[in-house]
Amino acid sequence: EAGVAQSPRYKIIEKRQSVAFWCNPISGHATLYWYQQILGQGPKLLIQFQNNGVVDDSQLPKDRFSAERLKGVDSTLKIQPAKLEDSAVYLCASSSQGGTIDTQYFGPGTRLTVL
Amino acid sequence: AQRVTQPEKLLSVFKGAPVELKCNYSYSGSPELFWYVQYSRQRLQLLLRHISRESIKGFTADLNKGETSFHLKKPFAQEEDSAMYYCAHGGEFSGGYNKLIFGAGTRLAVHP
Repeated sequence: EAGVAQSPRYKIIEKRQSVAFWCNPISGHATLYWYQQILGQGPKLLIQFQNNGVVDDSQLPKDRFSAERLKGVDSTLKIQPAKLEDSAVYLCASSSQGGTIDTQYFGPGTRLTVL
Repeated sequence: AQRVTQPEKLLSVFKGAPVELKCNYSYSGSPELFWYVQYSRQRLQLLLRHISRESIKGFTADLNKGETSFHLKKPFAQEEDSAMYYCAHGGEFSGGYNKLIFGAGTRLAVHP
């Protein structure tokens, strides 16, 4: 089966600019996750979708970050305006079931550099 | 708050030597623990989960509730084991669903 797709793979922007990331999960997977991984740290969950509904966005900086999952398939994560501390790899993952822990399949990530 | 601690940023061993990657967690309930691995230029992927009690690529991990640990072990390291290893805990509920909390990771370097 095709894996989780993400684009772009790399992005360099200046602070205060806007940026958007796209994710296409594995076909049929109900649950989609966005993680932020800062250099030297493990992935941190930003937002979790079950189909097209948000089940957890407790660690999403909502003053500047937003995410949506239209029609319960693809998802976009947006940062507006970006800050220097947003420099990180943004990982998208998907899993087949919601409500229980199951294997999460990760995309290749988008490396964001904010100058 | 729930936490996963991996005390070593880097573990360097020679081929054929035993390997133990340490992981400690803080959680009062029944833990769900995982090891994820990221090989060079590859995606983060599941290595094993404690509930399966399986051995993957020669690696095993035993849950020790008394010590709140879930160390990853392999008796004889291979060069292809060189990678970044992340311990993760999935016991915390949020919005009715489990969420994964990752440790900071340990880089394993196996030298010939």
